[in-house]
Order: sequence, then C-alpha cells, then structure tokens
Amino acid sequence: DQQVKQNSPSLSVQEGRISILNCDYTNSMFDYFLWYKKYPAEGPTFLISISSIKDKNEDGRFTVFLNKSAKHLSLHIVPSQPGDSAVYFCAAIYQGGSEKLVFGKGTKLTVNP
Amino acid sequence: GAGVSQSPSNKVTEKGKDVELRCDPISGHTALYWYRQSLGQGLEFLIYFQGNSAPDKSGLPSDRFSAERTGGSVSTLTIQRTQQEDSAVYLCASSRLTSGTDTQYFGPGTRLTVL
Repeated sequence: DQQVKQNSPSLSVQEGRISILNCDYTNSMFDYFLWYKKYPAEGPTFLISISSIKDKNEDGRFTVFLNKSAKHLSLHIVPSQPGDSAVYFCAAIYQGGSEKLVFGKGTKLTVNP
Repeated sequence: GAGVSQSPSNKVTEKGKDVELRCDPISGHTALYWYRQSLGQGLEFLIYFQGNSAPDKSGLPSDRFSAERTGGSVSTLTIQRTQQEDSAVYLCASSRLTSGTDTQYFGPGTRLTVL
C-alpha cells in the first residue's frame, strides 16, 4: 500500500504562473514532510520541508502547505520558471519510528516559456 | 569530493550474474542510505547505515540483496543472482546525522539493466 501518494504524474504550466503540486498521505503518524526535486540523470536534491507543528513554510519562490486533518500537503512555486522543470517527489517520515523516508512516485513539472 | 558519487553509472548484466554497486558518501557524513527507483515508481528505501552498522534492513527485497559499509565511508550494495525485476536506478544518499529529517544528499545513481 502506498503511504505517500502523488496522484498527478505530470503538470504543465506557463512561465510566470503558479505551479501547485499535490501530495496525500495515509499514515497519521508522519510528522515531517519534505519535497525533493530531480533532474534527469541526476540524484534528487532537497527543496523544502515542513514539520507537522506548522501549516506553512516558505523559502523564496517555494511554499509548502500542510493540512493535517486532510492528510494533504502541497508545494507552490511562484512564479514558475523553465528551470523548475523537473520531477518533484514528496516524502514523509515518522520521527519516532524507523527514520526512513517514504517517497511518493513523483510529479513531472514542465514549465513552458 | 564535493558530493555523493556512485559507480558504475550504468551496468548491464545477464540474469543470474552478481553485481556490486558502489557509493562514496560525502566525507564526514554519518548516515548512508540506499534506495531504488523502478520505472514509474517512487524511491523505494532499501537499507540505511549509521556508521558501519545497519539498524534497518527492512527494505531489502530478498536475501539476494546485501550491503556493507566499511570505515564509516564507502558502501557496497551487492545483488546476487540478478533477476529482470532488479532492473532499476539504485540511488545512494548520505546525511550528516542519522536523523531522518536531516537533509539527505543523493548521488546520481547507478542504472542497472538485467537482460
């Protein structure tokens, strides 16, 4: 069973507009969430994270929102740039548990010039 | 080196052969993780090392998979008697601390193809 789900395999947006990537989780024990970005032929790179004690974390053009009651988080990129085109992975962890990240399948974002 | 390195970058092997994948973590990083990404799937946790010991081997798919880490640095993932379903990109990551929330830095991966 997939504990972290990214239901949109792909997303296409225009340069300058907002990109919204969604992620749902099923395990209510998860208390820390991360987003990683991956370019082709490279390993994933850490983008932004959020603790379950917060509902929003912002870093420049990237903002992550967490809705614990809905077990849903989203990554907003504003404004989107062509260089943001990549696969974005949502990941979650239960800090009191096994210390291992559980990843979603990823969403491929394409930002068109 | 500046980042995590993995070798080889690509490996093509025949079914039934053994393969060894190598990971060089960032110097001084305590934790080392192995993941694999099969086609169309997310990253699947395999094993992690805290220093040279592996507290969590729960993700290893079968007893054909094993991993070791020596000197708190280089790690080797060995797959014996490879099967076609082992074909995937194998990713290694390291982090300074062994907390799962500490940023993990990934290598570029080894693409394994089992014919």
